[in-house]
Amino acid sequence: GIQVEQSPPDLILQEGANSTLRCNFSDSVNNLQWFHQNPWGQLINLFYIPSGTKQNGRLSATTVATERYSLLYISSSQTTDSGVYFCAVVGRNAGGTSYGKLTFGQGTILTVHP
Amino acid sequence: EAEVAQSPRYKITEKSQAVAFWCDPISGHATLYWYRQILGQGPELLVQFQDESVVDDSQLPKDRFSAERLKGVDSTLKIQPAELGDSAMYLCASSSWTSRDTQYFGPGTRLTVL
Repeated sequence: GIQVEQSPPDLILQEGANSTLRCNFSDSVNNLQWFHQNPWGQLINLFYIPSGTKQNGRLSATTVATERYSLLYISSSQTTDSGVYFCAVVGRNAGGTSYGKLTFGQGTILTVHP
Repeated sequence: EAEVAQSPRYKITEKSQAVAFWCDPISGHATLYWYRQILGQGPELLVQFQDESVVDDSQLPKDRFSAERLKGVDSTLKIQPAELGDSAMYLCASSSWTSRDTQYFGPGTRLTVL
C-alpha cells in the first residue's frame, strides 16, 4: 500500500516563529488532507489539498502531486497551535479509483512555547 | 456547522467484557469510516461503509470485532471480548458519496481495557 512519511517528527518553537512541516507519499493520490489533533484527540480538518496551494489565515499548504510531497506552513505560531499535525492520503489504485481509505503519516508533534 | 457525533467519549472496561461504540455521521454523508488510533501513531482504517454495505473491512479483526450500519445512517462498532491490546482511540469519520471528498472526524471514543 501507499506509504506516508512526515518530517520532522518533533518541532519546538517560540511563539511568533514560522515553521514548515513536510509530507512525502510513495504513489499517486486522489485525496490529501492535513489535520491538527487537539489535546482531547479530535482531528480537525485544516486542508483538503490533493494538488495546488491553499491558505487559511496563518496556515497555508502546498501539494506538488507530480513530486509526491506536500508542505504545511504555519506563520506567527501561537501556543494554541501546539498538538500533533497529520498528513493523510487516499491512494489511487491501478484502476485509477480508490475506496476512500485515508493512510496517515506518523505525525509531527508541535510544541509552541510562550 | 454539521458534525460527526460519537458516544461514549470515554470507556473503561475489563478484558473479556463486551464494548460498543456509536457513531452518527454528518447528515447526507453516504460513506462512513471507523479508524483506530494507538497512542503515538496515526489512525488506521478498521472498516468502511458505503450506505449500509461494507466496502473495506480487510483490517478488522473479525474474530472479535463487528460493525454494522443497518439503515445506512448511524453505525455501531462492537468488540467482544475486549483484550488489553484494544486500548486505543476509536474514531469515526464520514464523507459524501464520492471517495475523493473531505473526510470529517468525530471526537472519538477513548477505550481503556484493564
